[in-house]
Amino acid sequence: RKEVEQDPGPFNVPEGATVAFNCTYSNSASQSFFWYRQDCRKEPKLLMSVYSSGNEDGRFTAQLNRASQYISLLIRDSKLSDSATYLCVVNPNDYKLSFGAGTTVTVRA
Amino acid sequence: SQTIHQWPATLVQPVGSPLSLECTVEGTSNPNLYWYRQAAGRGLQLLFYSVGIGQISSEVPQNLSASRPQDRQFILSSKKLLLSDSGFYLCAWSPGTGPNEQYFGPGTRLTVT
Repeated sequence: RKEVEQDPGPFNVPEGATVAFNCTYSNSASQSFFWYRQDCRKEPKLLMSVYSSGNEDGRFTAQLNRASQYISLLIRDSKLSDSATYLCVVNPNDYKLSFGAGTTVTVRA
Repeated sequence: SQTIHQWPATLVQPVGSPLSLECTVEGTSNPNLYWYRQAAGRGLQLLFYSVGIGQISSEVPQNLSASRPQDRQFILSSKKLLLSDSGFYLCAWSPGTGPNEQYFGPGTRLTVT
């Protein structure tokens, strides 16, 4: 079983729509959780950390469900610039991160 | 602020040739350093990580090696490249303590021909 599993998508949404997707992780001892964004042929960039109580950063909301071992990301009022691959990332120990293969989101005009 | 550099940005090498990719970090001390490879359309594969000078942990057995000759310098090498070594190589750093988020360099796109 993969450490982090994501629906690869693609999620095709119109501008202004809300899009949400999840990932699941296998290591129940994981302590830190993140969402990264990767544009085509570019490096991944940290989008936001995910906290146990859930957190919001502008149009982006992340939720963590430890009991069910999943993390979600919701994007409100989608912009064309939100088109990217979103990587779910989990920290199973102090030094390493486990990356999901990514969920592709395409926002159309 | 911290900055991470990688070079070269792109590289085309023949099979059997050597490889040396360099990564340096500025603005921080004693970072943890990482090398990843991303094959086309695939996820990130951790190759090596280092928590200090001279300390290298290998995640995947292969014909690649890594070295950390200085605190903020991380080098990825190969004596003889294989076709399967083609990919997008990413260096990343994270703070030695505290939150574990990693920050990536711009990457090197390697094509082995």
